[in-house]
This record gives sequence, C-alpha cells and structure tokens, in this order.
Amino acid sequence: SQTIHQWPATLVQPVGSPLSLECTVEGTSNPNLYWYRQAAGRGLQLLFYSVGIGQISSEVPQNLSASRPQDRQFILSSKKLLLSDSGFYLCAWSVSGDFTLAYYGYTFGSGTRLTVV
Amino acid sequence: TQLLEQSPQFLSIQEGENLTVYCNSSSVFSSLQWYRQEPGEGPVLLVTVVTGGEVKKLKRLTFQFGDARKDSSLHITAAQPGDTGLYLCAGVNYGQNFVFGPGTRLSVLP
Repeated sequence: SQTIHQWPATLVQPVGSPLSLECTVEGTSNPNLYWYRQAAGRGLQLLFYSVGIGQISSEVPQNLSASRPQDRQFILSSKKLLLSDSGFYLCAWSVSGDFTLAYYGYTFGSGTRLTVV
Repeated sequence: TQLLEQSPQFLSIQEGENLTVYCNSSSVFSSLQWYRQEPGEGPVLLVTVVTGGEVKKLKRLTFQFGDARKDSSLHITAAQPGDTGLYLCAGVNYGQNFVFGPGTRLSVLP
C-alpha cells in the first residue's frame, strides 16, 4: 500500500532562518507531488506541484521554493523565512495521468506546523 | 477565478443529531470531492461525485452533487463525536485545476 511521510510535524524558526521540509512517498512510482499551505478559514492554497524529477511548477510567487531530487521525494525550502510564512504545510501525492486527480483525489501527509518567530 | 463557499463555517451539535453542510459555487465543476481533516492531520478523501444529481452514501454520510454541478451537500445522520473535524469540499474543473473551499468545522459533543 502507498504511504506518505512528512516531517517534521512541528517547527519553530526565527525570522531570516532557512527552511527545509521533506516529503517522501512509498509504494508507488512516478506520482504527482504537491505542496499546499493551509491558513485558518482560507482553505488550502497550492504552492508547488511536480509531475516528475526536476519538474516543478509554482502556483504563487513567494519566499519559498521546491525541489524533487528523486522520484518519490519532494522538498520545500526557503533561504530566509518571513513571519508571513507561518502556517500548516501539507505534502500530497496523486496518481499520474489524465483525469486521475479528478476521480481519485489527493493523499495528504500529516502536515508540518511552521511558526516563524 | 473559481471560488467555493462552504456553510456554515462552524457547527456545534449534540451527539445523535442530524446535520447538513453545503458547498456552493457559481462555476461548473467536472467533479467534486469531500475531505475530512482532524486537528493536526492532513485531509482524508471521503468521496468523489461526478454526475449531476449523483447521491453517494458512506455509512451515515450522504453526499449529493447538484444537478447543475455547481454545488454539493453533505448530510450526516445521527452524528457521533468521531465525526468531529473540518470538512472540506474541492471542485475540479475540466482543466484539471483544483479549488478548495474554506471548510466547515464540525464539533459533535457527547
């Protein structure tokens, strides 16, 4: 069966410090991978998605970047954190292929609560 | 820009009561999904509805997709404390773009 691992679960970082959140998927090959941010009362905002190694699409301009160094590994990074980067970050995967997301949806990780102080 | 609205935003009920939450948009979607999220966890997919007017049942949960594919409802019968969580709807348009609603936070008191 497929599983998705995301760590750390919580993180408190000072403003201006770097960030690295990691996500790995097991039990599937060539998944589509996603980073979402969830703010209270505002739903989920798609930050990045990837359909393959080294292929990253950014949905919103921001202080963050993403990388996919391996097929089942997705990393969210920042060189210098801002207070506004605080939030709940979710990694997710979906089966690749046309229309699969519409039918099978996302499988989310357990999230990282990031607090920038 | 497609938007999804969910109502109510918050709902607190007693165990055993019935409830309905709504997901509305002015846009047409090719499919719509409902997720439940517990505190400190990621959302978990409950159901996908695809056909206008479609009704799906998952134990005590009944999901309906509107005839015009612009809205959906989730009805819970005899709510239990284990139903507590944030219920998110997500619409998928024909271009395979997802949009999530802000969610309904449900609290079922024992």
